Amino acid sequence: QKEVEQDPGPLSVPEGAIVSLNCTYSNSAFQYFMWYRQYSRKGPELLMYTYSSGNKEDGRFTAQVDKSSKYISLFIRDSQPSDSATYLCAAGGNKLVFGAGTILRVKS
Amino acid sequence: EPEVTQTPSHQVTQMGQEVILRCVPISNHLYFYWYRQILGQKVEFLVSFYNNEISEKSEIFDDQFSVERPDGSNFTLKIRSTKLEDSAMYFCASSKKDRGVDGYTFGSGTRLTVV
Repeated sequence: QKEVEQDPGPLSVPEGAIVSLNCTYSNSAFQYFMWYRQYSRKGPELLMYTYSSGNKEDGRFTAQVDKSSKYISLFIRDSQPSDSATYLCAAGGNKLVFGAGTILRVKS
Repeated sequence: EPEVTQTPSHQVTQMGQEVILRCVPISNHLYFYWYRQILGQKVEFLVSFYNNEISEKSEIFDDQFSVERPDGSNFTLKIRSTKLEDSAMYFCASSKKDRGVDGYTFGSGTRLTVV
């Protein structure tokens, strides 16, 4: 069983749409849940991280964790063409386990 | 914005040769990591390093790999005898001491091509 599963997409949405990106994880010992954005041939860029179940908001981005169902989500409001990238979820502690990444395309 | 710096950005090497990938972590960070990403695949953990020793390593990180912090600023990954399957993007990361994932920042990576 893969530790972190993520639908690779691609996900294509019109500009201004609300985007929902999702991951599931299997290891109950994971303490931290992260979302990274990655552009082609670049390093992952940290967007948000959370420790506990619930929502965390930062501008247009909301990270949501449900530990009871082992579910991680990232919502992007008012999506922009510049949000087009691969979004990686990750979980763990000092060592991170990554999902496969979801390719997002926001069309203008 | 502080950043993790990696050099070189691209390295081509012949199979069997040794390579050293270099990283300068963020200056007040104390945890250091190497990850790799084979083209089209997931980002995979290789090793974590704290207080001048390896704190955790994956099964990928075999005897061909080693890490070192030779001075107060650099963090290196050495692959002793490269194989074709070592071709990948290698990412260095660092994080703050008090909470492991606080400021967990990746560099732009070194693309290693083994021919």
